Amino acid sequence: GQNIDQPTEMTATEGAIVQINCTYQTSGFNGLFWYQQHAGEAPTFLSYNVLDGLEEKGRFSSFLSRSKGYSYLLLKELQMKDSASYLCVPNQAGTALIFGKGTTLSVSS
Amino acid sequence: GAGVSQSPSNKVTEKGKDVELRCDPISGHTALYWYRQSLGQGLEFLIYFQGNSAPDKSGLPSDRFSAERTGGSVSTLTIQRTQQEDSAVYLCASSLSGGGAGYEQYFGPGTRLTVT
Repeated sequence: GQNIDQPTEMTATEGAIVQINCTYQTSGFNGLFWYQQHAGEAPTFLSYNVLDGLEEKGRFSSFLSRSKGYSYLLLKELQMKDSASYLCVPNQAGTALIFGKGTTLSVSS
Repeated sequence: GAGVSQSPSNKVTEKGKDVELRCDPISGHTALYWYRQSLGQGLEFLIYFQGNSAPDKSGLPSDRFSAERTGGSVSTLTIQRTQQEDSAVYLCASSLSGGGAGYEQYFGPGTRLTVT
């Protein structure tokens, strides 16, 4: 089984930096995905962390600490189009991914 | 290349009727997943196919729901005797492999099912 904890909602302004935290408890942990889902659309892949540390991909970075069961997604230079839900999804050995409701981020001008 | 496709994009049906939803995964992807999402809710896992292994049906909400994957490619999700609570967006996803291998899932656009 698994438990995932991330904030339900966050707000930020254009140009700012926002960090979305996620703590998890997962048996058979292999790595952690972050997905983005805009309202009315299907989720799209953002990142996958297997090892501890920070991985940067353009304006988005994702961090993982396996020993702490902790990850965060860092979004820089926020744009209005970044308003979406962000889903923290632990990858559990031998099972399908379980997606929660994620964190709904609202970016205002 | 082509992504995951689903049909129909929208389906309106009367309570009690059966419906079939189709998913065409990306060619070569051995893992295929079905989820559903009600308005304002997270994705609910339904069923997972991995190659020739027995599917993981642990997420199917009732025996009215079933799914097949023929030839390791196209999948059909069937809902019998539809109920109003079945109204949701049904999403299909595929990945190169599953079972915790860490391959990203590619989602189709979904089928919006409305049961009246």
